Amino acid sequence: NAGVTQTPKFQVLKTGQSMTLQCAQDMNHEYMSWYRQDPGMGLRLIHYSVGAGITDQGEVPNGYNVSRSTTEDFPLRLLSAAPSQTSVYFCASRYRSSGTHYEQYFGPGTRLTVT
Amino acid sequence: AQSVTQPDIHITVSEGASLELRCNYSYGATPYLFWYVQSPGQGLQLLLKYFSGDTLVQGIKGFEAEFKRSQSSFNLRKPSVHWSDAAEYFCAVGAQLTGGGNKLTFGTGTQLKVEL
Repeated sequence: NAGVTQTPKFQVLKTGQSMTLQCAQDMNHEYMSWYRQDPGMGLRLIHYSVGAGITDQGEVPNGYNVSRSTTEDFPLRLLSAAPSQTSVYFCASRYRSSGTHYEQYFGPGTRLTVT
Repeated sequence: AQSVTQPDIHITVSEGASLELRCNYSYGATPYLFWYVQSPGQGLQLLLKYFSGDTLVQGIKGFEAEFKRSQSSFNLRKPSVHWSDAAEYFCAVGAQLTGGGNKLTFGTGTQLKVEL
């Protein structure tokens, strides 16, 4: 299987533009989440989902929307991009059941630049 | 709230030398601890994890880490570093979220350079 896939790999936006970062997984994982990675700050949780139709905010949700209509897909939407959203975005997923507590699988990332 | 500190931003070692990357955590309950590695332009790969039991855990690529509750530490070690180990290493602590999700809190990372 392909694991966690993200598209696009790179994107440049102008301030105020909108776009959707795609994330898909083929491991039938219930949990999916989005992180952003900024220099010197590690990874920070933006939004997460515990299953289809259920989403919640992480620690840095402002400026981002998510939805989870299927188990496989978890898109991240930027409605009006700002330079502060320049970052590398990672999608992650994991099983709900115990035995692999919190072991998350990460996608390859999307590098976003907002000018 | 949980937090993770990786005090070394950059570390340089010679190939074949031993390696220890430091990680200190703050968490109110029994921690679930992880080490991830990120090669340039790549996503994060899990090296090893600690949930309970033996405090010395073995991971992939010859890495190991030791959980020391008294020191709130989870340092990563490798007895002999290979040039291919050059990457950025992240320590993380896992926590359950209200509603059933989970969150990984990451440290700021340690960039490892290997000199040939």
